[in-house]
Amino acid sequence: GQNIDQPTEMTATEGAIVQINCTYQTSGFNGLFWYQQHAGEAPTFLSYNVLDGLEEKGRFSSFLSRSKGYSYLLLKELQMKDSASYLCAVMDSNYQLIWGAGTKLIIKP
Amino acid sequence: ETGVTQTPRHLVMGMTNKKSLKCEQHLGHNAMYWYKQSAKKPLELMFVYNFKEQTENNSVPSRFSPECPNSSHLFLHLHTLQPEDSALYLCASSQKFRDSPVETQYFGPGTRLLVL
Repeated sequence: GQNIDQPTEMTATEGAIVQINCTYQTSGFNGLFWYQQHAGEAPTFLSYNVLDGLEEKGRFSSFLSRSKGYSYLLLKELQMKDSASYLCAVMDSNYQLIWGAGTKLIIKP
Repeated sequence: ETGVTQTPRHLVMGMTNKKSLKCEQHLGHNAMYWYKQSAKKPLELMFVYNFKEQTENNSVPSRFSPECPNSSHLFLHLHTLQPEDSALYLCASSQKFRDSPVETQYFGPGTRLLVL
């Protein structure tokens, strides 16, 4: 079967750095997405990786290793507004999105 | 106007009621989706419409009935629901291109549904 694993919850301190991991086993791979979802709001697109390596967008970076079936989202200079759930999703060989259950990130002052 | 809107934002209904959820996208996209989001579970894809034609129905019970009258609007008609159907129902849209099957989905804020 197809599976996406990410930690259920993480806690970090304002101003620090946090890394949210995502591992996947899917039938084929056509890219990996990260979304941010604040409580009671819409998931919003953060990043898309299809090639190995690190992609940086301001305070957020996303890394992919296809050989290891592994990705992480790196958040730097954490702010209170970064408290949210972070969803990992992989597009499989049929171009269907397979979703993880999300990681709830709690930022403490 | 925000990209994808959903109404109502909150809905409480009894098991014998009939209600409808509405989704509207203002992005000019040609594909729309219904998802179910339950606590601590992955998003579950329910229905997909491409160019107003339903292309996916992931074994969703018949008490959920989608309707897509045009490429901007999507409805989910609900009847005789069960308490386990209580969840957040998310609508999304995307632009599908014939030469590029990978597209980014944009989500609405969801309807929080409680079935009593």
